[in-house]
Formats: sequence, structure tokens, C-alpha cells
Amino acid sequence: GAVVSQHPSWVICKSGTSVKIECRSLDFQATTMFWYRQFPKQSLMLMATSNEGSKATYEQGVEKDKFLINHASLTLSTLTVTSAHPEDSSFYICSARWRGGRYEQYFGPGTRLTVT
Amino acid sequence: DQQVKQNSPSLSVQEGRISILNCDYTNSMFDYFLWYKKYPAEGPTFLISISSIKDKNEDGRFTVFLNKSAKHLSLHIVPSQPGDSAVYFCAASANAGGTSYGKLTFGQGTILTVHP
Repeated sequence: GAVVSQHPSWVICKSGTSVKIECRSLDFQATTMFWYRQFPKQSLMLMATSNEGSKATYEQGVEKDKFLINHASLTLSTLTVTSAHPEDSSFYICSARWRGGRYEQYFGPGTRLTVT
Repeated sequence: DQQVKQNSPSLSVQEGRISILNCDYTNSMFDYFLWYKKYPAEGPTFLISISSIKDKNEDGRFTVFLNKSAKHLSLHIVPSQPGDSAVYFCAASANAGGTSYGKLTFGQGTILTVHP
């Protein structure tokens, strides 16, 4: 149980284009989903917290107009990187907390984004 | 401000021996702690957690110890197996409520290598 999927697993895009990453909880309802970014050999950096049906809460320093997050249902959240630039290249990971759960988050496999 | 710290970037252990991974924290509001295991280019996998009202939690080969007065926790793996080789992250959460509920703060990670 507690399986989270992400799509795509990797994507290459040109500078200036937008990329959408999907995060799905496959066998549970996720009231809260989190989006992280990981740079090489570094820790996971929380970008934003998204609760189903409400606006995402962004961490300090994360541009909400650049990283658009939508949590339209209890099983799906999307992250759209708008007008991507090479510095946006990174490993993006989502996680989900199930309804009734406390602090355990279950992570997706991650998406490797490369902007050329 | 690194609220969760894993001061050992790496640890090397012989198969069958004990692996001890350490984590320190500074925020006294943290009341729940988790350990995750991560392989390269994959999302973290939840291992074990502990509430601040306990000082020990055990699950099979994994035991987490919490010393609140020292703001220190450790993960013991006994016996260590080559398949345990991965990056281990400790994470902490504060029951702050509202949009911060369930938010995890991660340490930098420790690379564990278990030699056959």
C-alpha cells in the first residue's frame, strides 16, 4: 500500500517552454501532497505544500508564478514549471500524506528535469 | 538555518555488523521524527518513525532511539546487509497545525555502504 507515482520519470525541454509533472497516489486518498526539489548530493528541499481543493502554500524563496501547483483531486497533484530555464534543471519529487495519517509521507519515484 | 543535521556524510560497515546513523536537531518544537532510505534517482522510502513521547521504536532490523534532552536521534540497523547500502535521511516534523501540518524538515543525508 501507500504507492505514489510520478509522470514523467524524466523530461528534457528547451529553455522558455513549460513542463508539467504529475503526482498520483494510487491506493489511498491524499489530502496533502508535497513537492520537493533535490540538487545533486544535497537534501530534499520542500518547495510547496498542497491541500486538495485549496491553493498551495509555497516555501520562502520559491516563486509561485514559476512553479504552478494544482491539487484538483484526492489522488492527483501537478507541478508545472513555467518558462523553464537551465537553472530549473533538477530532480523533482512529490510525496503524499493520506487522509487520517499523521506525519508519514510517501514519496513518488521522482522526475529528472533537464532544461537545455 | 539547518534545523536537522546529519553530520556524517558517509558511513562504511561490514556485512553483519551494526550500522548507526546519527541525526541532531535544533528546533524544540519537533515532535515526530522519521527515517527514510533513498537510492539514486528514486524517491525516499519510509523506514521507521518515532514520536517525541517515546525514546525507542523497533521494527525488525531497524531501531530508532530518541534522546530529547540532547536533541539527538539515531537509527540502528542490525545486522547490516549489502542491500542496506543507500542514502539515509532523517526528517522531523512539528505539530504546528494549519498549512504547516505534516511538513517535514530533512537532514542532509548519510551515505551508508555495507561491504560483503
